[in-house]
Amino acid sequence: AQKVTQAQTEISVVEKEDVTLDCVYETRDTTYYLFWYKQPPSGELVFLIRRNSFDEQNEISGRYSWNFQKSTSSFNFTITASQVVDSAVYFCALSEAGTALIFGKGTTLSVSS
Amino acid sequence: GAVVSQHPSRVICKSGTSVKIECRSLDFQATTMFWYRQFPKQSLMLMATSNEGSKATYEQGVEKDKFLINHASLTLSTLTVTSAHPEDSSFYICSAGGGVLDEQYFGPGTRLTVT
Repeated sequence: AQKVTQAQTEISVVEKEDVTLDCVYETRDTTYYLFWYKQPPSGELVFLIRRNSFDEQNEISGRYSWNFQKSTSSFNFTITASQVVDSAVYFCALSEAGTALIFGKGTTLSVSS
Repeated sequence: GAVVSQHPSRVICKSGTSVKIECRSLDFQATTMFWYRQFPKQSLMLMATSNEGSKATYEQGVEKDKFLINHASLTLSTLTVTSAHPEDSSFYICSAGGGVLDEQYFGPGTRLTVT
């Protein structure tokens, strides 16, 4: 069965700190996709990244970076120099091709000034 | 990415009434649409999967007679909550799947409050 675990329920940091959100997944499939979404208070999901299981390259997009390690079934997300606008709930998710996403329970990030 | 809309964005209805939520893929043909539900401070949980022209597949514990899903075209799926009760108050989000890269795109969600 597929499963996504986000062990950190809540994280609080001060602006300009770096923060890493952990994500561990379980799947028996060799082909799958991993995602990160941001959900601000408005509720609308903001897509951040989609990574397929064959691409283990780490990715950097501005202040955001992702570390995908199949050996540990992890897909961690780091925000560098956090800002107040980064405050939100962040979800890690997993899917097979064409199937629904299975979401982790989410990590609430609070960034204070 | 592709655009998926939902209507209405917010709805308040009285207990016992029915409410319909529309999910539209505006710029691509969605062969599959998914409906999720999110209770306050919880994660998104899949309710059902619908393929255009066929009956929806419901997840365990989701009443198919209460949550009616219609996917009559490649751009429109509807979720009707029948005989709504306060415990059905939730955030309902659809996603549309398809396209060359088999990607999925989420709608902005509908916040349902049943009084």
